[in-house]
Amino acid sequence: GQNIDQPTEMTATEGAIVQINCTYQTSGFNGLFWYQQHAGEAPTFLSYNVLDGLEEKGRFSSFLSRSKGYSYLLLKELQMKDSASYLCGSPQGPGGGNKLTFGTGTQLKVEL
Amino acid sequence: GAGVSQSPRYKVAKRGQDVALRCDPISGHVSLFWYQQALGQGPEFLTYFQNEAQLDKSGLPSDRFFAERPEGSVSTLKIQRTQQEDSAVYLCASSLLLGAIYNEQFFGPGTRLTVL
Repeated sequence: GQNIDQPTEMTATEGAIVQINCTYQTSGFNGLFWYQQHAGEAPTFLSYNVLDGLEEKGRFSSFLSRSKGYSYLLLKELQMKDSASYLCGSPQGPGGGNKLTFGTGTQLKVEL
Repeated sequence: GAGVSQSPRYKVAKRGQDVALRCDPISGHVSLFWYQQALGQGPEFLTYFQNEAQLDKSGLPSDRFFAERPEGSVSTLKIQRTQQEDSAVYLCASSLLLGAIYNEQFFGPGTRLTVL
């Protein structure tokens, strides 16, 4: 099975940097992804990590440590539009059809 | 269309009514998934299709839930005799099938079901 944990909510200031952590325990690891979901909207893909290390995409970066079962999403130069839920999760492998198991999501509120 | 579409966007049902939720995946996407998202929670897997074949329905909470994709494109999730605990957002996602490689799933906006 899979167990994914992330904080329920976080608050940060516009222009700042925020790090959203995610820990996981999976019976078979197939990588870790992050999705962003604005209220009432579809989740949108942010990143997917399968190897250890940091991957940067503009203002967003994602980090993975497989030995520690740990990932984080780093958001720089926060903007008000970054207020959303950030979902951490893992796909089950080919036998599972790549179905996704999500954490509860971290609700990020960006304030002035 | 450019993305995954779902209809209706909102559905209010009286307890005991049957509902049908529709998903139009991205054209050419072989895989289609249904998820249920309760308020304040992450999406939870319900069922998975590869073309018209339903390969995994382990997440369906009861035999009141039924999904189909008869021609390998549009899918319908049907809930019979709705209960209040069925109130949630139902998300559909589609992806290309590329063997063992993880495929990005593209989500629709969801159908918000409220059972009174």
